[in-house]
Order: sequence, then structure tokens, then C-alpha cells
Amino acid sequence: GAGVSQSPSNKVTEKGKDVELRCDPISGHTALYWYRQSLGQGLEFLIYFQGNSAPDKSGLPSDRFSAERTGGSVSTLTIQRTQQEDSAVYLCASSLAGGIRHNSPLHFGNGTRLTVT
Amino acid sequence: AQSVTQLDSQVPVFEEAPVELRCNYSSSVSVYLFWYVQYPNQGLQLLLKYLSGSTLVESINGFEAEFNKSQTSFHLRKPSVHISDTAEYFCAVIESNFGNEKLTFGTGTRLTIIP
Repeated sequence: GAGVSQSPSNKVTEKGKDVELRCDPISGHTALYWYRQSLGQGLEFLIYFQGNSAPDKSGLPSDRFSAERTGGSVSTLTIQRTQQEDSAVYLCASSLAGGIRHNSPLHFGNGTRLTVT
Repeated sequence: AQSVTQLDSQVPVFEEAPVELRCNYSSSVSVYLFWYVQYPNQGLQLLLKYLSGSTLVESINGFEAEFNKSQTSFHLRKPSVHISDTAEYFCAVIESNFGNEKLTFGTGTRLTIIP
């Protein structure tokens, strides 16, 4: 079956512009996660959704970052006024209801590589 | 707060030799532990996990990891590696307190198999 789909796969933008990154989770997965992977860094947690609600937004780096999820499915991560330090691979993952703690592994997309020039 | 340390950023190993990738975690409560693998040009995927029960867990491709609570470690081992094991391996931890879904990853270890 289809896995987690992210678009675009690559995005180059100028400093100061806004960008939107999209994630289509696996059908039926109610839990959705956004992570960021920078060069030489581990995966940095950004935000977690259960359905359309985001019980944990603790990882969003600044108020320039926001995310929403509609219909319990597609999620969009928006970065406003991009900065060069925002350059990274943004990964989306989904899991079944109950999430990680209930024995449901994360299924990752291939990510969006964002380059801010 | 939970955290994970992978001390080795790169590990080169000869084919058919054994390997150990180290992972240490920090947490004030009980945890669940995971190893994820990223093969070249592929997305991250779960390799194995420890949730409860036996402290020794195994994957289908010959890797194993042992949860050691006293040493706060979850090292990944394989007795004989193959070229196809070339990948980046990430250790991850999540605290078991109710409602927590924040999986914290280490910085990864790039395993390179030398023919």
C-alpha cells in the first residue's frame, strides 16, 4: 500500500519568503509527527498531531513555524520569513491510533529538503 | 527530560566482522527504546524496539539489542555484517508517562561495510 507521501521533495527558497511543506500520511493513521534533520544533527522533534489536534507543539523552534492538520489526514508545515538556519530535511511520519507507546511504529516519508539561500 | 547519545558518528567494519553501535539514554522515568535504520536513498524504518518483557530484542535481519537499565544503554549488535547493512542507524527513546508521544532521536551512526 501507499506509504507516507511528502511534497515537494526539494524546495529552494530565498531568505524571507514563506514556504509550505505537505504531508499525506498512511490512510487510517491518526497520529502524525513532524521532525527536522539538519546536517550533523539527529532528528529534531517539531510537533505531534492526534487527529486534528496538536497536543505537543513543544518542538517548534519559533513562532515563524506553524502546522495544521485537516480531516485527520493531510498536514501542512508552514515556515514564515525563512532564514538560512531553517535549511534542513523536514520529515513527516505517521502511526496508527495510540501511537508509539502502544506498539505502533512510526512510518516515515522521504522528506522535503529545504534550502534557504 | 529524555535524551539519547550515540557516541560514534561513523563506524567502518569489514564484511562478516561483528559490530556494535552504542546508544545511551537519559531519563528520570521508565522508557521505551527503538532503533531505526535509514538505507541509502530510503526513508527511516523501524529496525527493532524494546517496550517491555525480555531485555534482548531481535530484528529479522540478524541485529539484536539489549536493554540495560543499570547502564542506561541499548546497544545494537550483529555478529556478522553484510554489505547490505550499510546504512545510518538511529537510536530513539520515549518516556513511558501517559500521553507522551515525543520520540527523541540520537544523532545517528553511519555504518559502512568494507568488502
